[in-house]
Amino acid sequence: GENVEQHPSTLSVQEGDSAVIKCTYSDSASNYFPWYKQELGKRPQLIIDIRSNVGEKKDQRIAVTLNKTAKHFSLHITETQPEDSAVYFCAPPNPDSNYQLIWGAGTKLIIKP
Amino acid sequence: EAQVTQNPRYLITVTGKKLTVTCSQNMNHEYMSWYRQDPGLGLRQIYYSMNVEVTDKGDVPEGYKVSRKEKRNFPLILESPSPNQTSLYFCASSLRVMNTEAFFGQGTRLTVV
Repeated sequence: GENVEQHPSTLSVQEGDSAVIKCTYSDSASNYFPWYKQELGKRPQLIIDIRSNVGEKKDQRIAVTLNKTAKHFSLHITETQPEDSAVYFCAPPNPDSNYQLIWGAGTKLIIKP
Repeated sequence: EAQVTQNPRYLITVTGKKLTVTCSQNMNHEYMSWYRQDPGLGLRQIYYSMNVEVTDKGDVPEGYKVSRKEKRNFPLILESPSPNQTSLYFCASSLRVMNTEAFFGQGTRLTVV
């Protein structure tokens, strides 16, 4: 969407290394920041989310950090494994609507063996 | 088991022949939506519904209709399908539109010839 920028569009990392994907949004009033994972041929699924009252949230090898001043939030995956290969989407709220999210264009993460 | 169920999973049809893709959720969610996913374009919202009998257009509503007569069902109707509607379609539901996880159906791969 025009109010969301997701980078990079493709990321290739060696197995065991870390991966970081960044999502920049425009609405300073946004207070919910989710990341979804879509494996090849499957449906998107929520992997982690963060609310605006915290700066970081971790769940095992996955973490999300939020920088409200700079209006971006990032997905961090440590010790990457082959099953982390997928397309990842951020989906912050649409600043022009109370009833929609804006989906990033997606980042294809490739884990090299 | 909590789930969103779409049918059919695959459909090949001819131009102009009306079709309906069904979507049902068993989680008593208020919010439901339809997306189409095309290569390089991410997820684009077609229509959404905030509750029974309340629907609104998303970003790409042309050529589609929806209805929400019951809370659990949100069918997508293509009155006169055209080849440019060939796509992968996902239905999703969430407890509320904001600040809650979106649960996706398995997807429907539609081909219009």
